[in-house]
Amino acid sequence: GNSVTQMEGPVTLSEEAFLTINCTYTATGYPSLFWYVQYPGEGLQLLLKATKADDKGSNKGFEATYRKETTSFHLEKGSVQVSDSAVYFCALTRGDSGGGADGLTFGKGTHLIIQP
Amino acid sequence: DTEVTQTPKHLVMGMTNKKSLKCEQHMGHRAMYWYKQKAKKPPELMFVYSYEKLSINESVPSRFSPECPNSSLLNLHLHALQPEDSALYLCASSPLGTGGLVGELFFGEGSRLTVL
Repeated sequence: GNSVTQMEGPVTLSEEAFLTINCTYTATGYPSLFWYVQYPGEGLQLLLKATKADDKGSNKGFEATYRKETTSFHLEKGSVQVSDSAVYFCALTRGDSGGGADGLTFGKGTHLIIQP
Repeated sequence: DTEVTQTPKHLVMGMTNKKSLKCEQHMGHRAMYWYKQKAKKPPELMFVYSYEKLSINESVPSRFSPECPNSSLLNLHLHALQPEDSALYLCASSPLGTGGLVGELFFGEGSRLTVL
């Protein structure tokens, strides 16, 4: 089945630093790719997504590009803030995203800590 | 309304109790999911309902019993649980069919379950 590998943390950065969280995947077919964020004590929120090769998802200053040739979907942000401290999950559709409900497979999560 | 609402937010139960977790969404989504998340781990898929019918059961023990009474509601009935079942239980929904939102899951805040 489809699987995701992402860098595990914790990742500790200073405020205004550049952020990269690596994510690579293994999949058959053409999965959709997602980044979800989870703040302490909360559920998961969609941060951004990409549904086909070369798509770039972006939201709140975060970006990720669906790279089929390297099977990657790395998350980047140019200048992080303390409020970005959270756990970030890379995810992909478990099956072919042809309209069915297969759910998502998640990476192990990266705990990001931003220090003032 | 873009929310998935879960109740209760916290639940403490003994190993002989019977309780239920409830989930509700009014986005017209026809797929609903239960995930289990242990501390510092990614969510793990338990069940998927498509058009109110159980479509995926990830070999979950029978002490967990899902129910989808209509297109807006999803329940998880709990009976004779073990302490290792203590976790955050997340409900999610997604649209079915074609379109840009396919595969994107909308999560609730979760129900934190403690089994004594």
